[in-house]
Amino acid sequence: DSGVTQTPKHLITATGQRVTLRCSPRSGDLSVYWYQQSLDQGLQFLIQYYNGEERAKGNILERFSAQQFPDLHSELNLSSLELGDSALYFCASSPGTFTDTQYFGPGTRLTVL
Amino acid sequence: AQSVAQPEDQVNVAEGNPLTVKCTYSVSGNPYLFWYVQYPNRGLQFLLKYITGDNLVKGSYGFEAEFNKSQTSFHLKKPSALVSDSALYFCAVRGPSMDTGRRALTFGSGTRLQVQP
Repeated sequence: DSGVTQTPKHLITATGQRVTLRCSPRSGDLSVYWYQQSLDQGLQFLIQYYNGEERAKGNILERFSAQQFPDLHSELNLSSLELGDSALYFCASSPGTFTDTQYFGPGTRLTVL
Repeated sequence: AQSVAQPEDQVNVAEGNPLTVKCTYSVSGNPYLFWYVQYPNRGLQFLLKYITGDNLVKGSYGFEAEFNKSQTSFHLKKPSALVSDSALYFCAVRGPSMDTGRRALTFGSGTRLQVQP
């Protein structure tokens, strides 16, 4: 158990809908990263927050957004969902130190029908 | 831009034999290298990392990895494979930036390790 929690574990929804994925980082970790794992794209970095502020963006679509709250939990919002958004979405957290390691949550499996 | 290559989609090894999962990388500056393992329907578990120092890094579950700067490689090894080691293994890299906003990992495509009894 990495100490990173993600809810829900599974999410099934229809095209055009909007969903919110939630992540609670390990105690004391300030950085939260979101990654997408799909068969065709592999594991890709989406976005990072550090202590409530957005710090980096990767291959994140404009339909996707995220935020980190004062208690450091984070939410990833996916809107106008398409079939191709079906994937495993991981959250990872780290202390935010120079040599830190990212620890991953169990993921949320999103299926768009 | 940084990148990671895992040239083998799958590695098959008999239980008790040594195993190697290959990884090569490209990054500006000194690399920070990581290995993660993913079991079915589970998240990624951290195995080990290289930051600096000894080129041979020891990690969890008896795994180790050898950093080779001249060959830009970071191969994962284990002296004696177990059936329970069968899983998907990912190599990842990031650059040595002081900027907290430049520490996202770039992952390889993954290598499926199959250990036969």
